[in-house]
Amino acid sequence: AQTVTQSQPEMSVQEAETVTLSCTYDTSENNYYLFWYKQPPSRQMILVIRQEAYKQQNATENRFSVNFQKAAKSFSLKISDSQLGDTAMYFCGISGGGSQGNLIFGKGTKLSVKP
Amino acid sequence: GAGVSQSPSNKVTEKGKDVELRCDPISGHTALYWYRQSLGQGLEFLIYFQGNSAPDKSGLPSDRFSAERTGGSVSTLTIQRTQQEDSAVYLCASSLGQAVGYTFGSGTRLTVV
Repeated sequence: AQTVTQSQPEMSVQEAETVTLSCTYDTSENNYYLFWYKQPPSRQMILVIRQEAYKQQNATENRFSVNFQKAAKSFSLKISDSQLGDTAMYFCGISGGGSQGNLIFGKGTKLSVKP
Repeated sequence: GAGVSQSPSNKVTEKGKDVELRCDPISGHTALYWYRQSLGQGLEFLIYFQGNSAPDKSGLPSDRFSAERTGGSVSTLTIQRTQQEDSAVYLCASSLGQAVGYTFGSGTRLTVV
């Protein structure tokens, strides 16, 4: 079974500053994918960034980047130059498991960006 | 359609009634997922369909919950004899594969009174 742990229920950051959201996971699979999704108050889940486990290079999407530590099973999200629109719930997820490809999420981190 | 469509967007039902929630995935997406999100909580996996394979029902919380996917496209999540604890947002997602990612619908907010 795969599990995802997000140890920070809530975080806040000042506009334009940098914040890092933590995520650890457990899996027995060798091939898997990791995701960060954002859920603003509109409740629409939006893909922020994804990482393939067999790739060493950390994924980057504009102001969003990850620190993927495979041995430690850690997958943190760094948001640079935080903007008010980044205020949302952030969910870390893992998919894998051979043909199943199930997607399991952590409990989420509520991020507030303050002006 | 361009995205994952869920209907209705909101549903209020009386305790004990049955409800059906619909998910119309992106055309061609072989995988379809249902999740439940209680107020302020994370996404609880319910059920997963992949092509013609038997669905993974391991997340269904009780035998009052069931889901079907007809013709590899539209899916219906049915909750029988609804209880107040069933009140939540029910999210559907579809995917072409893990490497591509998952696209979510806007969800159905179910309120059981």
